[in-house]
This record gives sequence, C-alpha cells and structure tokens, in this order.
Amino acid sequence: DTEVTQTPKHLVMGMTNKKSLKCEQHMGHRAMYWYKQKAKKPPELMFVYSYEKLSINESVPSRFSPECPNSSLLNLHLHALQPEDSALYLCASSQEGQIVHEQFFGPGTRLTVL
Amino acid sequence: AQKVTQAQTEISVVEKEDVTLDCVYETRDTTYYLFWYKQPPSGELVFLIRRNSFDEQNEISGRYSWNFQKSTSSFNFTITASQVVDSAVYFCALKRGGSNYKLTFGKGTLLTVNP
Repeated sequence: DTEVTQTPKHLVMGMTNKKSLKCEQHMGHRAMYWYKQKAKKPPELMFVYSYEKLSINESVPSRFSPECPNSSLLNLHLHALQPEDSALYLCASSQEGQIVHEQFFGPGTRLTVL
Repeated sequence: AQKVTQAQTEISVVEKEDVTLDCVYETRDTTYYLFWYKQPPSGELVFLIRRNSFDEQNEISGRYSWNFQKSTSSFNFTITASQVVDSAVYFCALKRGGSNYKLTFGKGTLLTVNP
C-alpha cells in the first residue's frame, strides 16, 4: 500500500465553523506533513510530525491546530478561519532515517472558507 | 539560502513532441537532494524521481529522462514523445541533507500537451 488518503475531498465552511481534515497512511512512515497550496503556487510547508511529535511549525496561525493521534493518522483542526485560508491542503508522509526519502502526497482537501 | 528556479512558467506542445523542463538550483550545501513531482489537475503531487548530490548519473524511466549537472546546478527533465496524459504542473524541489524535512519548491511549470 503506497497511498496517502485524505478526507474530505472538498470542504466548505464558514468563518465561525470548526472542522477537521484527516490524513492516513499505512506505509509505516514515521514523518507526516501538512502543506497549504494556493492556486498557481507551489506547496508551502505548515507542519511536520516525526514519530508522532510535532517537529516543525512554520509559524502557522493558531486557527490551524495539527494532531497526530498515532503513527498512521494526521489531523488538521480548523477553527475561525479566514477567506484567505481557502486553498488545497495536502498531506504527505515519508520514511525517517539517515537516508533522505521522498515524500508521498495525498490527493488533498480543497477548502473554501466563506 | 536555498533556491529553485523553474524559468518556464508554461509550455505548450503537440502530442509526440519531446519537451524539456528546466530546473536550476542554488545551495551552499555539499549534500543535498533534488526531486521532481508531477501535479495533474486532480491535485495530488506524484513523486517522479529523487537524485542525490553525489550521484550525477542521468536516469531514464520509460519516456522520462533526467539530466543532472552539478557544474551548471541544473536538473532538467525531458519527456520524450509527449502524451496528453503528461499535461500537468511539474515541480522541481531541493532538500538539504541531514534531518531537515523542508523541501524548497520551484514555482512549477505548467505543461499542456495538445492532441
């Protein structure tokens, strides 16, 4: 199984809503990532979890709250978002270790904030 | 600081043409890694290749080939006999050696293959 899955595929939410994005992988990867991608731009790293611990937070606003319940799951909790947060949110995973490994990406969640 | 430049914003070709996507990188590290990803309209980034800085061997995979030249800091990607299914945005990315997780992406090249 070389797949990263993400749910939902599409999400529309108001600025006062609370929602969560989910990501799952069963490749035994111990590093998991959240990226944000605006139209016609490259992905921007938001968070990295390594062995279920938050390793990198790229100065992301607190209205985005990541969670890694176990080695296969990664969530992104959303609260009080702004319209400018509308984007494609991509999850990725990779192996850990001394050797650098490529990141495998999920299909993304297209988020629209009204 | 690291930087990846994909000077071609958009390329349009007719099916069966060969096309080369350029990637130029900047880094002061001696150990680094280069990647190419494909992003079709569906949105998922598909990993194509990883190349280590100490391995300048070029690679061919079917219709895809990559030319890595450290002397010019370039890692170009050629699609031979392009097909409509090759239409996508292609990203070149650079990663430092060590435990750093961050990928530095180029801005991407939109390739359109017309029938």
